[in-house]
Amino acid sequence: GAGVSQSPSNKVTEKGKDVELRCDPISGHTALYWYRQRLGQGLEFLIYFQGNSAPDKSGLPSDRFSAERTGESVSTLTIQRTQQEDSAVYLCASSPPVQETQYFGPGTRLLVL
Amino acid sequence: GEDVEQSLFLSVREGDSSVINCTYTDSSSTYLYWYKQEPGAGLQLLTYIFSNMDMKQDQRLTVLLNKKDKHLSLRIADTQTGDSAIYFCAGSGGSYIPTFGRGTSLIVHP
Repeated sequence: GAGVSQSPSNKVTEKGKDVELRCDPISGHTALYWYRQRLGQGLEFLIYFQGNSAPDKSGLPSDRFSAERTGESVSTLTIQRTQQEDSAVYLCASSPPVQETQYFGPGTRLLVL
Repeated sequence: GEDVEQSLFLSVREGDSSVINCTYTDSSSTYLYWYKQEPGAGLQLLTYIFSNMDMKQDQRLTVLLNKKDKHLSLRIADTQTGDSAIYFCAGSGGSYIPTFGRGTSLIVHP
């Protein structure tokens, strides 16, 4: 079946611009996660959505970062006034109900010039 | 919170076995995971083990869990060049947000 999809796959932007990244989770998956992966690094947790509960935003690095999710479907991660240090791969993952196993999308590669 | 440590690199010869090691700190981790990341791709779940298990085997993959030492390993039998990738260990740490290690780069040479 269809896996987690993310768009765009690559994004090049200029410093100071806003970007919006999209994640389509697997149908029926109630949990959705965003991670950041800098070059050669592990995964840095950003935000977690579970059903209609309030999201866990504890990993967002600054108030320039925000994310939304409509119900149990699509999520968007927005980075305002991008900085060069925001350059990374942004990964989205989803999980089915009552299970912690995560299924990852291919990621969006963001380059801020 | 959970802290997960892995060695950064492992080089093996094609056909040999690879063993990738991981240590974690939170004994309340219910699940422990191994993910594979190929160049330019997202993470692919390879296997996971429940904390009440000592071993899990799945074709060429064997996961060993030593709860006393909080040590997890992934053994890949008959390693192939297609196994070259970054392997991430992750623990749930009693939370719904798994903590990932920095990843071990496996290099398979002829």
